[in-house]
Amino acid sequence: NAGVTQTPKFRVLKTGQSMTLLCAQDMNHEYMYWYRQDPGMGLRLIHYSVGEGTTAKGEVPDGYNVSRLKKQNFLLGLESAAPSQTSVYFCASSPFMGSPLHFGNGTRLTVT
Amino acid sequence: DQQVKQNSPSLSVQEGRISILNCDYTNSMFDYFLWYKKYPAEGPTFLISISSIKDKNEDGRFTVFLNKSAKHLSLHIVPSQPGDSAVYFCAASPTGANNLFFGTGTRLTVIP
Repeated sequence: NAGVTQTPKFRVLKTGQSMTLLCAQDMNHEYMYWYRQDPGMGLRLIHYSVGEGTTAKGEVPDGYNVSRLKKQNFLLGLESAAPSQTSVYFCASSPFMGSPLHFGNGTRLTVT
Repeated sequence: DQQVKQNSPSLSVQEGRISILNCDYTNSMFDYFLWYKKYPAEGPTFLISISSIKDKNEDGRFTVFLNKSAKHLSLHIVPSQPGDSAVYFCAASPTGANNLFFGTGTRLTVIP
């Protein structure tokens, strides 16, 4: 089992460009999450999903959109990238609410 | 405003000795606490958790202590091993909530 897989691992964008980060999990988990990690701060929740076809805002949702068309995939989109979105992005999944999260290995995004 | 705080960015311990990592929180609604371990270029992995109905939880070399009145928890690793060298994140949430609030992490170095 691969667990949680994130693609790409690295990406550099220019301000104003758009991109989509893909997260895939093979554990049949209902819940999926996108977090960002910045220096001097803990991981912060961007958006999450409690099941296929559902999404909800987390702590820092502005500038991001998400979609969960299939249970195993959770996509994070940046429509118009800004330097403030330079960060490491982690996707996670869990089988039910309150259970420990399983994280992917992260995507390092730089916006210049 | 950081609701979960890890005030020690780093800690060095000799192999075989005890490592004690500390975490403080401010939100009295938090009643579920977790520790995650993170190696470079990998995502965080779940280590141990505790709910507020307990004050101690043990799993092998790892023990988490919770002091609700002080809003403080700690992770003890005994004995420490070089493979324990990693960044440790404390996280907390209210029961049933979808958001985990993370601390900024403590980098543990175990010296052989």
